[in-house]
Amino acid sequence: GESVGLHLPTLSVQEGDNSIINCAYSNSASDYFIWYKQESGKGPQFIIDIRSNMDKRQGQRVTVLLNKTVKHLSLQIAATQPGDSAVYFCAEKGSTGNQFYFGTGTSLTVIP
Amino acid sequence: GAGVSQSPRYKVAKRGQDVALRCDPISGHVSLFWYQQALGQGPEFLTYFQNEAQLDKSGLPSDRFFAERPEGSVSTLKIQRTQQEDSAVYLCASSLVGWAGGEQFFGPGTRLTVL
Repeated sequence: GESVGLHLPTLSVQEGDNSIINCAYSNSASDYFIWYKQESGKGPQFIIDIRSNMDKRQGQRVTVLLNKTVKHLSLQIAATQPGDSAVYFCAEKGSTGNQFYFGTGTSLTVIP
Repeated sequence: GAGVSQSPRYKVAKRGQDVALRCDPISGHVSLFWYQQALGQGPEFLTYFQNEAQLDKSGLPSDRFFAERPEGSVSTLKIQRTQQEDSAVYLCASSLVGWAGGEQFFGPGTRLTVL
């Protein structure tokens, strides 16, 4: 089956620094990826997505990079703020059907 | 409404009881998803609806789990004869598009605790 995993379960950064959260996926046929942010007691919130025909996509303060050769996905957050503290998940859309597979998550803590 | 709502937010059930969890998606959203999120884990897919049609229920862990969306709007996830391993947060998400690749908007979840 498909699996999505994250390299680091926790990440601490100083306010104002850039953050990089990594994700590995196993299914080379997956064609759509999403990064979510989840704060305590809330549902996941969409941050940014990318399709497999792209290598990079930028949003407001966030950039997602996709390396299909090594099946790696990363989320870059520029000028990290205390409000960015949360658990971040990458999700992969399965090659068939309608399932999204989520990784375990990385807990980001921003130190003021 | 402003977003996806779920009720109840918290539910405590004794083992063996039946529970029903409700999801009110964003008005007009075609797709609806249910996920199960265990403590410290990412959400796991349970089932997917396109309007009233349940197109994918491959993630339901057993035949004790049943979901419906009879009018293509509100959805209910029912768990019969609850077991302790059913304890988790149950998330509902809706999407405007009629396929599974669109942006999903999540509700706050229902935290189910089975004693």
